[in-house]
Amino acid sequence: NAGVTQTPKFQVLKTGQSMTLQCAQDMNHEYMSWYRQDPGMGLRLIHYSVGAGITDQGEVPNGYNVSRSTTEDFPLRLLSAAPSQTSVYFCASSRTGGNTIYFGEGSWLTVV
Amino acid sequence: GNSVTQMEGPVTLSEEAFLTINCTYTATGYPSLFWYVQYPGEGLQLLLKATKADDKGSNKGFEATYRKETTSFHLEKGSVQVSDSAVYFCALSDLEETSGSRLTFGEGTQLTVNP
Repeated sequence: NAGVTQTPKFQVLKTGQSMTLQCAQDMNHEYMSWYRQDPGMGLRLIHYSVGAGITDQGEVPNGYNVSRSTTEDFPLRLLSAAPSQTSVYFCASSRTGGNTIYFGEGSWLTVV
Repeated sequence: GNSVTQMEGPVTLSEEAFLTINCTYTATGYPSLFWYVQYPGEGLQLLLKATKADDKGSNKGFEATYRKETTSFHLEKGSVQVSDSAVYFCALSDLEETSGSRLTFGEGTQLTVNP
């Protein structure tokens, strides 16, 4: 029972570099999302997807791209990393309309 | 829009003390309410939830009651343990959104329990 799997768990980037955070779920959930967690601000929604081929912006989308080519995968891309993107990133999934949301273990990203 | 406000932290208690972490919310429609816990170095785990007014969620000795009249969902535990030290997040999900379940989180409350 893998649930929601995120990789990598830790990453250090230099300003301007690009990278992709991977997220995969094996529960056949339609809905997937990415959050970032910053001290004193809780978790904020970056992007979400209600199914393969459909994505939309959340509260803090700038600097991030997503795509959803399959139901299982929802990668988050940082095109040109900035120090302000230093954060902990969480991927989550759920059934559309379901009220139980499953989180991955988080990815700790530092941009220097 | 939706919002969640938690009591300011951090909170420091002695073992076996009573815990209350306040949470109030603003939402359109009829949200579901959640408490998530994050232990040091780990991801978020669902602690408990309530999906309608007057529901009480409970788990591991923690409980919270969905109070629509006061728009609150305060977390309580009668006797905390050192192992309860963690960050606690209150959150809501507006199920009326056709786009699916999206969570709005509070700021989080750091709880430290001393032996």
